[in-house]
Amino acid sequence: ETGVTQTPRHLVMGMTNKKSLKCEQHLGHNAMYWYKQSAKKPLELMFVYNFKEQTENNSVPSRFSPECPNSSHLFLHLHTLQPEDSALYLCASSQDWGVFNQPQHFGDGTRLSIL
Amino acid sequence: DAKTTQPPSMDCAEGRAANLPCNHSTISGNEYVYWYRQIHSQGPQYIIHGLKNNETNEMASLIITEDRKSSTLILPHATLRDTAVYYCIALSLMNRDDKIIFGKGTRLHILP
Repeated sequence: ETGVTQTPRHLVMGMTNKKSLKCEQHLGHNAMYWYKQSAKKPLELMFVYNFKEQTENNSVPSRFSPECPNSSHLFLHLHTLQPEDSALYLCASSQDWGVFNQPQHFGDGTRLSIL
Repeated sequence: DAKTTQPPSMDCAEGRAANLPCNHSTISGNEYVYWYRQIHSQGPQYIIHGLKNNETNEMASLIITEDRKSSTLILPHATLRDTAVYYCIALSLMNRDDKIIFGKGTRLHILP
């Protein structure tokens, strides 16, 4: 139990579907992150939120739309995805953003498959 | 941020200490050494981090050489549940743009 919960754990969707991934952290952290982990690529940072404000968008395509209603919840809305978007999507949180003597705590991810 | 190099795989007998090495010869003075692991079908799990001094917590010990060019993660009494890929990362204390970048890591097999 890492204190970061992601749902669903697995998701299969067609390219025209709309779905959302959810992340909730119970650690009282102020920063939350979305990462993509593919089989053939290293971990890729997608978005960073600090105190509900987006501080970083690493050139992520607009078919991925994040939402952070409060410091404990983070969503990733998915729309018109491509097969190459199939991957493990990981959520993480840390006490603060940009302070690297504080570790990030990860959820177990959502395994996404695009048909 | 400094690149790190790790052996691709290691074996360790259950109950023995697992010593995982990491080279970070280009590490700068403001970069922390972090260790994470990823067990199959789970997200990365934070283990330990340090700057200059050796560190110990309930999971592991981290030994950093005096010149900071290498470090060793020690799992004192390895169990089958410690089978995972272990990642060593150097992260800057000051650079807000510094990102966690996992390399290929070391795949640790704990043998019964």
